[in-house]
Amino acid sequence: EVQLVESGGGLVQPGGSLRLSCAASGFTFSSYAMHWVRQAPGKGLEYVSAISSNGGSTYYANSVKGRFTISRDNSKNTLYLQMGSLRAEDMAVYYCARVLEQWLVLGAFDIWGQGTMVTVSS
Amino acid sequence: DIQMTQSPSSLSASVGDRVTITCQASQDISNYLNWYQQKPGKAPKLLIYDASNLETGVPSRFSGSGSGTDFTFTISSLQPEDIATYYCQQYDNLPPTFGQGTKLEIK
Repeated sequence: EVQLVESGGGLVQPGGSLRLSCAASGFTFSSYAMHWVRQAPGKGLEYVSAISSNGGSTYYANSVKGRFTISRDNSKNTLYLQMGSLRAEDMAVYYCARVLEQWLVLGAFDIWGQGTMVTVSS
Repeated sequence: DIQMTQSPSSLSASVGDRVTITCQASQDISNYLNWYQQKPGKAPKLLIYDASNLETGVPSRFSGSGSGTDFTFTISSLQPEDIATYYCQQYDNLPPTFGQGTKLEIK
């Protein structure tokens, strides 16, 4: 079964750090670009970050640029999001998602994880 | 960034009704437009990609059309299980921005 499973969410104080993981299974992880999308409580979907299939290219939304780092370990079939200098407005459910077509950075997100909640509060 | 404007933001309809949601891009995005369904507490689910292509396993009552800046998503006959929030998303340029969502309720 093609699957993405996020982990690493939790409660963190403002200014703190957290690393999210997204474990992939059931497909050739190294052939697909991956993305992070978040959703604040009761709000819509907000794009966060992207990484190419080989990890050589990355992209960040302006709201997280300089604070978040996306990376991947294709030998472990795992995507990461290192989050730093966390703010109240970063509080959200974070989803990882796979692009429909192999090799392309942009496309439809056909596989999503179940999401992991990040709470930023003192 | 490309802005995506969905309308309406909420919609109430009866079972069996034809339901239409529109999405307008702030610039020409060709057919690089996707539609997702999100039920409460769940991850989004891809329904339509490239404006009009039905994702595998998605019921044929769902459809999409449009190109350029104006797009339409249609449910031909609303079913109780279609109650959800629907989002459009462009992927012509990074960042792949989403519309604000349309919350669909049963009347």
